Amino acid sequence: EDQVTQSPEALRLQEGESSSLNCSYTVSGLRGLFWYRQDPGKGPEFLFTLYSAGEEKEKERLKATLTKKESFLHITAPKPEDSATYLCAVRAGGSNYKLTFGKGTLLTVNP
Amino acid sequence: SQTIHQWPATLVQPVGSPLSLECTVEGTSNPNLYWYRQAAGRGLQLLFYSVGIGQISSEVPQNLSASRPQDRQFILSSKKLLLSDSGFYLCAWIQLAAAAYNEQFFGPGTRLTVL
Repeated sequence: EDQVTQSPEALRLQEGESSSLNCSYTVSGLRGLFWYRQDPGKGPEFLFTLYSAGEEKEKERLKATLTKKESFLHITAPKPEDSATYLCAVRAGGSNYKLTFGKGTLLTVNP
Repeated sequence: SQTIHQWPATLVQPVGSPLSLECTVEGTSNPNLYWYRQAAGRGLQLLFYSVGIGQISSEVPQNLSASRPQDRQFILSSKKLLLSDSGFYLCAWIQLAAAAYNEQFFGPGTRLTVL
């Protein structure tokens, strides 16, 4: 059974204080690891897809990396508007493109 | 550009009442469609998915059902709601032919409260 574990569950940062979120996974034949951002009361917003170990993607203050067992979402010099829940999901081969999600990390950035 | 709609945005229903949530995708054809539920303190749980009109696959046994009467329309239903059906319901889609990475895009969601 595919599993995704995100840590920490919640993270409080001061504006400008860089940190990383972790996503550990077990999946049969990884066909993609996905990061989403979710604001309260809204649907998840797609951020990145990673396919193979060593791959990196960047968008503004966010950088996602992937190893064979986990992914990191690095947040550099965060701002209050980066506050959200960040979700990680994996897709296995032959899954009809279904995703298995972790429970998310609630990030709060204080000004 | 593609957009996805869900309605209603919020819903408060008594236990035992019926349910119908609707999801519509615009600007694409023959998408894969997915229904998820997000309960407090839990991750997104996949409920149903559809690869075409009339084709529904169920992931979790429950008192919910899904239908896809048209290519870009996905409906979630229940004959009798339970308290445990409360949650945030999300519809998502993939356009397999166009997207190189096949990421799922989500709708705005429906907040359901069963009293």
